[in-house]
Amino acid sequence: GQQVMQIPQYQHVQEGEDFTTYCNSSTTLSNIQWYKQRPGGHPVFLIQLVKSGEVKKQKRLTFQFGEAKKNSSLHITATQTTDVGTYFCAVNAGNNRKLIWGLGTSLAVNP
Amino acid sequence: DVKVTQSSRYLVKRTGEKVFLECVQDMDHENMFWYRQDPGLGLRLIYFSYDVKMKEKGDIPEGYSVSREKKERFSLILESASTNQTSMYLCASSDGRPQHFGDGTRLSIL
Repeated sequence: GQQVMQIPQYQHVQEGEDFTTYCNSSTTLSNIQWYKQRPGGHPVFLIQLVKSGEVKKQKRLTFQFGEAKKNSSLHITATQTTDVGTYFCAVNAGNNRKLIWGLGTSLAVNP
Repeated sequence: DVKVTQSSRYLVKRTGEKVFLECVQDMDHENMFWYRQDPGLGLRLIYFSYDVKMKEKGDIPEGYSVSREKKERFSLILESASTNQTSMYLCASSDGRPQHFGDGTRLSIL
């Protein structure tokens, strides 16, 4: 079935460094969603990308959707300790009712 | 704001017991989901429901069943709990757009 590969699995950075996580699919995607899960918390929706080549920003977070709509990235500029958590990408399955999830990238930030 | 409420934050049960996990959402969402989350394995879909009394198997339905008698409530049932079902269980709802999650139930089977 459809799969979404997310890399890296873990990332450890010093506060102030940048961070990027990537999601890749072998098939063209209709859209992609990004979620953040804080330690001990539940996934919280961040954003959805729909258009080819789309770039959206939320403060220090930049989300990109590839031109071929087969990959996406989340970039955090100048990480802070509040960015700690696991970042998941998710894509609609064919019937649009359920999501296919990446395994997530766990971000640790050293103060 | 969407509110998804799971009945228990922590639960301890014994092997062989029948276990019920309850989830209620207050936004009239059609779709509801049960996931389990284990370290390194991400979110794995157990079952989902797109309407009252309708359900579909997810990726790991074995050992589980579900019930959706009312639109706002989706129950996950462990028919005969086993130790390998010790996990974090997350309920979510959606109207076809982003999924909204409850706080999760950390279930331990002894």
